[in-house]
Amino acid sequence: GDSVTQMEGPVTLSEEAFLTINCTYTATGYPSLFWYVQYPGEGLQLLLKATKADDKGSNKGFEATYRKETTSFHLEKGSVQVSDSAVYFCALTPDSWGKLQFGAGTQVVVTP
Amino acid sequence: NAGVTQTPKFRVLKTGQSMTLLCAQDMNHEYMYWYRQDPGMGLRLIHYSVGEGTTAKGEVPDGYNVSRLKKQNFLLGLESAAPSQTSVYFCASSPDGGWSTEAFFGQGTRLTVV
Repeated sequence: GDSVTQMEGPVTLSEEAFLTINCTYTATGYPSLFWYVQYPGEGLQLLLKATKADDKGSNKGFEATYRKETTSFHLEKGSVQVSDSAVYFCALTPDSWGKLQFGAGTQVVVTP
Repeated sequence: NAGVTQTPKFRVLKTGQSMTLLCAQDMNHEYMYWYRQDPGMGLRLIHYSVGEGTTAKGEVPDGYNVSRLKKQNFLLGLESAAPSQTSVYFCASSPDGGWSTEAFFGQGTRLTVV
């Protein structure tokens, strides 16, 4: 079945550093790809998404490009802030029922 | 703007006890979902509903039951809790089941079964 693989964390960075979180997927169809973020003590919220190959999703300085040839959707941010400390989940929709298939999540810790 | 509200936030159960988790959404969404979050495994789908009166099994449905008697509410039941059901449970809703539709999540219920 469809699956999502994320790099393991925690990832610890200093403020203003460059962040990359790798995400690769396997899918039989042409899923949409998402990044959800979970701030401490909160539920998940959508960070960005892409619906087809070569689409770039962006939000709050984060970007990710849907790469069909490498089955990847890596998350990047050029200059992180302490407020970006959170757990980041890569996910895809395996079918048309709106269900989400999640990766294991990557904890990011940004220090001042 | 409440969004998706889960009740309770925390609960400790003894093995064999039963309980019901309540999820309420005020966005008039058709689709609702229950996920569990375990360390190193991300979120896994337990059950979902595509409209009032409907339910369907997800990836890990064993040991759980659900009901969607009203469009705004989605209940998750544990009939006989087991330590393996210790987890954080998240409810989510979406307006439809589209491939790119955003899901809205509640704040989670942390359940410990001892």
